[in-house]
Amino acid sequence: ETGVTQSPTHLIKTRGQQVTLRCSSQSGHNTVSWYQQALGQGPQFIFQYYREEENGRGNFPPRFSGLQFPNYSSELNVNALELDDSALYLCASSGPSGRAVETQYFGPGTRLLVL
Amino acid sequence: GENVEQHPSTLSVQEGDSAVIKCTYSDSASNYFPWYKQELGKRPQLIIDIRSNVGEKKDQRIAVTLNKTAKHFSLHITETQPEDSAVYFCAATRRGLTGGGNKLTFGTGTQLKVEL
Repeated sequence: ETGVTQSPTHLIKTRGQQVTLRCSSQSGHNTVSWYQQALGQGPQFIFQYYREEENGRGNFPPRFSGLQFPNYSSELNVNALELDDSALYLCASSGPSGRAVETQYFGPGTRLLVL
Repeated sequence: GENVEQHPSTLSVQEGDSAVIKCTYSDSASNYFPWYKQELGKRPQLIIDIRSNVGEKKDQRIAVTLNKTAKHFSLHITETQPEDSAVYFCAATRRGLTGGGNKLTFGTGTQLKVEL
């Protein structure tokens, strides 16, 4: 296992509601990336947090927001939920900068169902 | 932005045979190419990766090759076993401009089935 944890594991919401998903990064990692994986698709990059700042964003609307805490854990918030937001939400943590590239280790994901 | 294409979408092999999955990428600046295995209901698990300064890398029954000129990379699994059955994703990335990290662009996945 990677040491990356996520909560909750499953969640059911209705359209228009708001949701907060949580991720604890692997020890020693200061970067957290969030991905959305629809059924039968590859993960799609939502955004990344590095040292508590957003460091890159994918093609997702502003109702997807996040933050990173001083201990490098992170939250993903989604407002005004839509049916298409139903997916597996994955976070991935990676190590300190200074290396040429960084390997990303995924958490188990949160399965969100919007009704 | 980066675009990664992956083929085939499904692959069925007999136990003991080899399996090959191919990916192409569009951004010549990409310099890191990981492969993830995802079993049903589980997290993507890194199985092997390759950096742009290397043409080939092996780890037991798994190998990855990279052709930077053609911008494609491949996963090779030899002596396949039933437990190799899963969805495999390739990905590509380059270091983020601010030095904080990198975002992965994934292929669409290959469902590998190893039959007895």
